[in-house]
Amino acid sequence: EIVLTQSPDTLSLSPGERATLSCRASQSVSSNSLAWYQQKPGQAPRLLIYDAFNRATDIPDRFSGSGSGTDFTLTISRLEPEDFAVYYCQEYVGSPLTFGGGTKVEIK
Amino acid sequence: QVQLVQSGAEVKKPGASVKVSCKASGYIFTNYHMHWLRQAPGQGLEWIGHMDPARGGAEYAQHFRDWVIMTRDTSSGTAYLELTNLKSDDTAVYYCARDSGRPGHFWYFGLWGRGTLVSVSS
Repeated sequence: EIVLTQSPDTLSLSPGERATLSCRASQSVSSNSLAWYQQKPGQAPRLLIYDAFNRATDIPDRFSGSGSGTDFTLTISRLEPEDFAVYYCQEYVGSPLTFGGGTKVEIK
Repeated sequence: QVQLVQSGAEVKKPGASVKVSCKASGYIFTNYHMHWLRQAPGQGLEWIGHMDPARGGAEYAQHFRDWVIMTRDTSSGTAYLELTNLKSDDTAVYYCARDSGRPGHFWYFGLWGRGTLVSVSS
């Protein structure tokens, strides 16, 4: 089972700032089989990025994914008010699927 | 439109069972695997398992193997998650989610139900 560790736990930023979220895997994530989700209170997660760097349908281009192997990053280039939420990474290399513990992006 | 509609919240006592439904619409039900996940209050996401609606086979994460059952009704396009012998720490929001449909192990989720809260308390 791959363990995903996200950092930091909380990121306090202002609108317009750049957010950089990290997801580190306990072993190599082959074929860049990594996704990122955004979750707001009381809502289901929303897919942002798949295959490590491909934006999902209707996701703004201020969201970008990068990385390979064991280190992956989600970058939000300029935070909009609606971007303050919790973000999760997820790997789909094998079974079971696993998620990181999440990073909360909060308004400073 | 393309959506997954889940059944309503449930309150159960320890030791009871519950069956959560997830009705798919707007796409061909048998073309995509259906996954179930849960999220305990204030916690992260946990994958329970998935099923192939075309064949009916299911795979479960080890923790859930002995007390969770996934089924489906292809005539109505509905997937079911049955939880047996419930414990208080099974209190969570249970989500169904459709995978990408790509051939292979591309199990990421672009379509989710809104979730079903299952509360277990004596």
